[in-house]
Amino acid sequence: DTGVSQDPRHKITKRGQNVTFRCDPISEHNRLYWYRQTLGQGPEFLTYFQNEAQLEKSRLLSDRFSAERPKGSFSTLEIQRTEQGDSAMYLCASSLASRGGYGYTFGSGTRLTVV
Amino acid sequence: ILNVEQSPQSLHVQEGDSTNFTCSFPSSNFYALHWYRWETAKSPEALFVMTLNGDEKKKGRISATLNTKEGYSYLYIKGSQPEDSATYLCAPRNAGNMLTFGGGTRLMVKP
Repeated sequence: DTGVSQDPRHKITKRGQNVTFRCDPISEHNRLYWYRQTLGQGPEFLTYFQNEAQLEKSRLLSDRFSAERPKGSFSTLEIQRTEQGDSAMYLCASSLASRGGYGYTFGSGTRLTVV
Repeated sequence: ILNVEQSPQSLHVQEGDSTNFTCSFPSSNFYALHWYRWETAKSPEALFVMTLNGDEKKKGRISATLNTKEGYSYLYIKGSQPEDSATYLCAPRNAGNMLTFGGGTRLMVKP
């Protein structure tokens, strides 16, 4: 297992287009998290899954954002009708719920630029 | 939403200097405090997890202390090296195993 992987690493899109990012967590991890980080800020929580169930969703996540984890393995984050304010680093992390004391393992992120 | 503050926001030091940063967080509903190091173009890397008041952890030249009663943690780097240049993030964890991150301290070590 090579850790948490995210694809793509970088995405440039025009305002109004839809984008989708993918995250592959560590295989035995049952929890998967999405965070967003903008310049000068720490990562902000967006949503998380335990297995395939989406258990919590931040108020930051507008209706244009949707996340899925259909088989409890990889996850996708889709942003519809992108806006310039969506430009950020989107981080995915995974953990094993029963071993919360070990924190999260992060991917390298997807950097989105909306022009 | 927890209010987690880190200071300073950024720090420039010379190679060989020792330095420290602060993380402050609400002391209620506290379960653990995590420190991460995030180098440019890499993924955040876990440094420490601390749970008990008075905890001290050490990893090479980096150490951290925790005060859960007053809600703060210090991260120390002894004899900074250019490879220590990174953003250092702290994140308290609540009962639901959720991490809330501070804004980070960006450290730059000049050779």
